[in-house]
Amino acid sequence: QVRLQQSGPGLVKPSQTLSLTCAISGDSVSSSNAAWNWIRQSPSRGLEWLGRTNYRSKWYSDYAVSVKGRITINADTSKNQFSLQLNSVTPEDTAVYYCARRDDLLRGSFDHWGQGTLVTVSS
Amino acid sequence: DIVMTQSPDSLAVSLGERATINCKSSQSVLYSSHNKNFLGWYQQKPGQPPKLLIYWASIRESGVPDRFSGSGSGSDFTLTISSLQAEDVAIYYCQQYYTTPTFGQGTRLEIK
Repeated sequence: QVRLQQSGPGLVKPSQTLSLTCAISGDSVSSSNAAWNWIRQSPSRGLEWLGRTNYRSKWYSDYAVSVKGRITINADTSKNQFSLQLNSVTPEDTAVYYCARRDDLLRGSFDHWGQGTLVTVSS
Repeated sequence: DIVMTQSPDSLAVSLGERATINCKSSQSVLYSSHNKNFLGWYQQKPGQPPKLLIYWASIRESGVPDRFSGSGSGSDFTLTISSLQAEDVAIYYCQQYYTTPTFGQGTRLEIK
C-alpha cells in the first residue's frame, strides 16, 4: 500500500524559501512506473500543479511555467523521498501543498496523495 | 495550458437522485494513437486531499462505488452519480493529463 507522508514548516517569511518533504512508503522514488509531483491548492488559484520528478534511466524534472525559476524538486533515493523548494515566496504562495504520485503504468492520474500541508507566507 | 471548465459550479440533489457534473477542455485530450482520453475525476472532502475516482475518462478506480461513472471523449466529459448518498457530499474536480496537468475549478455537490 502506497503512502505519502509530508513534513515541513507551516509558516514562511516573505522572500524566504519554502521547503517541504514527502516520504514514500510502499513504492520507490526511483520507480520507472511513477512520477512524483507537487500540487498546491488555494481559494484564488484552485488546484495548481507545480512540478514533478521521475526516473527513466536518469532523473527528469518538469515545472509549471508559473513557478519556473523559483522551484526545485529533488529526489533522495537513500531516504526514499522527494522534496520541494520554492524560493522568494510572497503571500500569493500561501496555499495547501500536496505531494502526489502519478501512476504512469496503469492510470496516468494522481492516485496517491499526501495529507497536505498548509503553508502561510507572512512576516 | 489546457483550460478545464466545469459546470455547474454547485449542485444540490436529493438523496437517491442522479447527479451530473460536466467538464469541458479547451482542446481535445484524446490521444488517438492510444485511443485514450487523458482525463481523471477526483472527489475532495473538507480537510482531505483529492481522491481519484475515475481515470482514462471512464475507468473506475478500485474501491470506488459503482454508482460513480465517467463518460465522454475529446473535449466533453461527464461524471454521473446514479443515486446520491449522503457520503457523496464533496467537491468534484476534473483534471487533464494530456499535457501539463490542469484541473477544473470544482463543482460543489450538496444534498437538496
